[in-house]
Amino acid sequence: AQTVTQSQPEMSVQEAETVTLSCTYDTSESNYYLFWYKQPPSRQMILVIRQEAYKQQNATENRFSVNFQKAAKSFSLKISDSQLGDTAMYFCAFMKTQTGANNLFFGTGTRLTVIP
Amino acid sequence: DSGVTQTPKHLITATGQRVTLRCSPRSGDLSVYWYQQSLDQGLQFLIHYYNGEERAKGNILERFSAQQFPDLHSELNLSSLELGDSALYFCASSVGTGIGNTIYFGEGSWLTVV
Repeated sequence: AQTVTQSQPEMSVQEAETVTLSCTYDTSESNYYLFWYKQPPSRQMILVIRQEAYKQQNATENRFSVNFQKAAKSFSLKISDSQLGDTAMYFCAFMKTQTGANNLFFGTGTRLTVIP
Repeated sequence: DSGVTQTPKHLITATGQRVTLRCSPRSGDLSVYWYQQSLDQGLQFLIHYYNGEERAKGNILERFSAQQFPDLHSELNLSSLELGDSALYFCASSVGTGIGNTIYFGEGSWLTVV
């Protein structure tokens, strides 16, 4: 079974500062994808960034980047120059594929508050 | 806007009743997924359909059923509702079933069972 662990239920950061959210996962799969989704107060799930397990290069999307450590099964999200609009729940998710199907397994989330 | 459309956005119903949640995937997406987000269970995968065919089942109760129609829209039917079924139900879609296909979520349907 796949498990995704987010050990930080809540975090806060000053506006314009940098914050890192942690995520670890457990799998015996060799081919998989990892995602970070953001859920603002509107409750919509918004894709932030994705990482392919076979790629060593860490993914980057503007102010968002990941630190992917495959051997350690760690996938942290770094948010640079934090903005008030970054206040949200952040979910780490793991995707594996079964024959003809795929699915996302989510962690329990980290609630991030950006302080003005 | 993800392009995934869900209706209704909010629904209040009584215990024992039956409701249907509807989802239209993004244009061109053949896969539809249903997820349940509740306070105590977090985000749980319910079911995955691809081009009308059920592909994977997660923690979906027997009281719940889903289908995907030829026009690719999907419906999630929830029957004999209990208070614990109160949750945010997400529909999501992706192009296909290939690993790495990004899954895009709708805005969710809030179900309150009273």
